[in-house]
This record gives sequence, C-alpha cells and structure tokens, in this order.
Amino acid sequence: DVKVTQSSRYLVKRTGEKVFLECVQDMDHENMFWYRQDPGLGLRLIYFSYDVKMKEKGDIPEGYSVSREKKERFSLILESASTNQTSMYLCASSFLTDYEQYFGPGTRLTVT
Amino acid sequence: ELKVEQNPLFLSMQEGKNYTIYCNYSTTSDRLYWYRQDPGKSLESLFVLLSNGAVKQEGRLMASLDTKARLSTLHITAAVHDLSATYFCAVDGSGGSNYKLTFGKGTLLTVNP
Repeated sequence: DVKVTQSSRYLVKRTGEKVFLECVQDMDHENMFWYRQDPGLGLRLIYFSYDVKMKEKGDIPEGYSVSREKKERFSLILESASTNQTSMYLCASSFLTDYEQYFGPGTRLTVT
Repeated sequence: ELKVEQNPLFLSMQEGKNYTIYCNYSTTSDRLYWYRQDPGKSLESLFVLLSNGAVKQEGRLMASLDTKARLSTLHITAAVHDLSATYFCAVDGSGGSNYKLTFGKGTLLTVNP
C-alpha cells in the first residue's frame, strides 16, 4: 500500500512564525504535491515537484515556498505565517507518468 | 483554464434511495478520478476512469465516463449511512505536463436513516 505521511495532524502557530510542514512517501513516487483545502473552495494546488530539487508553482503559491532535497520528502514552508493561512494542508504523491494521486492524512494548521 | 463542476454540491438522501452525482469538465481529457473524504480525514481514491465509456463499480457506487460529453457520473444505489462523506471528482487537464489534477469543489453527501 502507498503510504504518505505528514509530520503533524494539528498545528497551532502565531502570526509571523516560520512554519514547516513535512510530507514523506514510501512508494518511490517522482511527483509530490501540496494543496490547501478550505470550505467552499475545494482543493487548491500550492506547489508541486516532479523531481528532487525541482518545483513548480501551483495556483496559489503566494506566501509559501517548498523544498525537495530527497525524493521521498517534500516540505512546505510558510516564511511568515498569517491568519489567512489557517487551513487544512494536504500532501499527495504520484508516479511521474501516472495522474492518480495518493494523499496524506492532512495537517490542520491554525495561525493565531 | 480547465474548470471542473460538480452537481449537486450538497445532497441529503434517505437510506435505500438512489441518486447520481454529476461531474462536468471544460476541456478534453481521457482520465477522471473520484475520491472520497470522510469528515476530518484525507482523500481516498475510489475510482480511476481512463477511457471513454469506462464504467467501474464497487459496492453501492458506480462511476462512468463519457469523454465526448465531458461528463462523469457517480451513481449511488440503495444508499446506506456509511456512504455519508464528501465526494470529489478530479480531471487531468494540463495537456500532459506535470500530471496535475484539477478538482471539483466536492459533493457533501448525507444519508439519513
């Protein structure tokens, strides 16, 4: 079974803090994705990566950055957290030539 | 820009009834995915539809794909409470690059006893 894990299920941070969300997959997938999910807005793609050290912006990259130093690990960084970044963050992964994505359990981030 | 629309967004139904969720998309695509999300949980893959006319069934759920009409349906037969969840369809529409999916907003299904 594909396993995608995320470092925290729940996280509370203060405005202005630097926040790291980590995602690890164990299926040797090339592609990894970060989404945020908000009520009424569905899933929105923040960033994705198709190889180590490679990244591309998604639909809403502002205020976020990413890092992929190893194939199995993809990190989402909030340089200076703001209250409008309070959301559920979902990580997903897939093979390079396969569109089916496998999702992690999600991290519910609250910024106060 | 690829748009994916689900209809309805909210569905309340009684146990034992049948209903269909619709997923329309705006550009050509041969691949469509259905996911289920339970409250507070992540997305779980339900069906992968890879060609025109594809039909897949699991239990009380059946999904189909009509690429010419740019439409997929998720049919629920004799609903039970355990099917209560949010259902998302997703379409690849990036022209084959980077394997991104575009998701619909989701259909919140509530099955009442």
